[in-house]
Amino acid sequence: EAAVTQSPRSKVAVTGGKVTLSCHQTNNHDYMYWYRQDTGHGLRLIHYSYVADSTEKGDIPDGYKASRPSQENFSLILELASLSQTAVYFCASSDVSGFGEQYFGPGTRLTVL
Amino acid sequence: GDSVTQTEGPVTLSEGTSLTVNCSYETKQYPTLFWYVQYPGEGPQLLFKVPKANEKGSNRGFEATYNKEATSFHLQKASVQESDSAVYYCALRSGGSNYKLTFGKGTLLTVTP
Repeated sequence: EAAVTQSPRSKVAVTGGKVTLSCHQTNNHDYMYWYRQDTGHGLRLIHYSYVADSTEKGDIPDGYKASRPSQENFSLILELASLSQTAVYFCASSDVSGFGEQYFGPGTRLTVL
Repeated sequence: GDSVTQTEGPVTLSEGTSLTVNCSYETKQYPTLFWYVQYPGEGPQLLFKVPKANEKGSNRGFEATYNKEATSFHLQKASVQESDSAVYYCALRSGGSNYKLTFGKGTLLTVTP
């Protein structure tokens, strides 16, 4: 069965600090995604990637960077964390040969103080 | 761009009653439509998908028909159970090669015994 794992599962960061969220998939999928989830906004796409060493901006990329060093791994980087980036972050993957259904990880709860 | 609008929550129902979550969408390309479900503490997971107009998708007693003329994809269940308590997301993937999904804001369903 498809598997997407995220680390850490929760994190407390200080304003202005650097935060790295990691995602690993064993699905052999080409596409990987980072979303944030906030009450009243649902899931919003931050960055995505369709091949290693390349990333694309999603709908809300400001304040975030992404890195895809291999097919299996996709990181989200907050260089200068801010209070407004407190949210739950989800990673997902999808297969180019399917209908585009995405498989999600369990999420990372980030609190910026 | 693409957009998805669904029933604003939260929705509270008694066990055994029927559920309808409205979903409408806008896209200039041919869509593939999805319903995702997110249980507490987990990432979203695919409930079912419908890639063709006027076809029905179903899973776990939930169903939805892709109405191309009305650009709608309402989720229905005849008799909800307490275990159906979750957040439900309508999503669409429009034609194209980037495999992005556009999600609605989600509808929180609570089913009381």
